[in-house]
Formats: sequence, C-alpha cells, structure tokens
Amino acid sequence: RKEVEQDPGPFNVPEGATVAFNCTYSNSASQSFFWYRQDCRKEPKLLMSVYSSGNEDGRFTAQLNRASQYISLLIRDSKLSDSATYLCVVPSRGYALNFGKGTSLLVTP
Amino acid sequence: DAGVTQSPTHLIKTRGQQVTLRCSPKSGHDTVSWYQQALGQGPQFIFQYYEEEERQRGNFPDRFSGHQFPNYSSELNVNALLLGDSALYLCASIRDRNTEAFFGQGTRLTVV
Repeated sequence: RKEVEQDPGPFNVPEGATVAFNCTYSNSASQSFFWYRQDCRKEPKLLMSVYSSGNEDGRFTAQLNRASQYISLLIRDSKLSDSATYLCVVPSRGYALNFGKGTSLLVTP
Repeated sequence: DAGVTQSPTHLIKTRGQQVTLRCSPKSGHDTVSWYQQALGQGPQFIFQYYEEEERQRGNFPDRFSGHQFPNYSSELNVNALLLGDSALYLCASIRDRNTEAFFGQGTRLTVV
C-alpha cells in the first residue's frame, strides 16, 4: 500500500459546484495532515493544515477520520481560480513529507 | 520576510554532466528538505538537512548528494545525469517537525 493515495481525477466541475477529494494514508501514527495546492508548473502552497478531526476556512473544509485513515477536502461554491492540483500530504515516521500524486481540478464557466 | 528562494529557475544539462542547485530557506527556518517532482507525480523526498548534517534520506541513489551551510542554505548536487533526472526540484524549509513546509519556486531541470 502506498503511503498516501488520492483520487487522480481530473475533476471537471462548473462554477458554483461543490467538489470533494479523498485521500487515504498508511502511517497511523501521523498527528498532522496537510492539503497543498499546486498551480501548473509552480511550487506547492499550503491550503489547509489538519491537526484534529477537521478544519474549515471559508469555502474549504478538511475532515479527518483517523479510524479509517482517511482525509477529505471539500470545496464549496467553486471558482474558476480554484482550478489547480490538490496534494494530500502526510508526514512520515521520520522527517519526510509523503505526498499523494495529486488530484487535478478544473472549474469551468 | 523572504520566503524560500531557489536558483537557478531553469537548467538544461547533457546526459552525464553534473549539476548543483541552490536553496535559501525561509527566515527563521533551520531545516531544509529537497524533493523531486516528475511530471504528473507528487513530490518525492530526496533528503533533509539539519545542523549541516543529512538527517534523513529518501530512496535516491548516491548520485544525489547535498550540503547545508552554517547560514542554513543548502545545495543539491546530482552527478552523472540521466534523462530520467529531468524534473522539478523543490526545496522546502520548516521550522519544526510535522509543521507546514514552505516551498521555493523550484528549479526545472531538463536533461538532454
């Protein structure tokens, strides 16, 4: 089993739609989790950190299910500017960050 | 407050050559990690430097080596370049373990 697995997408949604991405992880000892956003050919940038059961920031909600080792990211009222790749990130037992392959989102007019 | 800076931004090298990439961490950060991101993949951990020592290494061959300087900046060296080394190389700095990592804009390396 890979350390971090994500829905590969791509997800094509109209503006205003709600979209959810899923991520499963194998390191049951992880205490922190991250969603990063990466625009085409740019560096990843932190979108949300999750240290407990979940986190909400405006239109973005992240939920954590430790028993199932599952993280989700929900985007409400999608904007054209939300089009990007979303990376699920889980710290390893060492010092590395384990990244999923990313889920591609395209929001269309 | 300067973020993570990397140089150069783009590089084209020939198979068999050697390359050095540079990174300055975010102010206040003393730990630097390097990641390789191939097209369509997530970043893969190469190694991490802390207190001028390699603290952890990912699954990369010895052709990949690094260094950290007293001012916390870091270099990534790749010897005997292969076509498969073509990727975006990202430097990330952190303040503490398991906290968010801040990434530089990356160096896009093309090996021909």
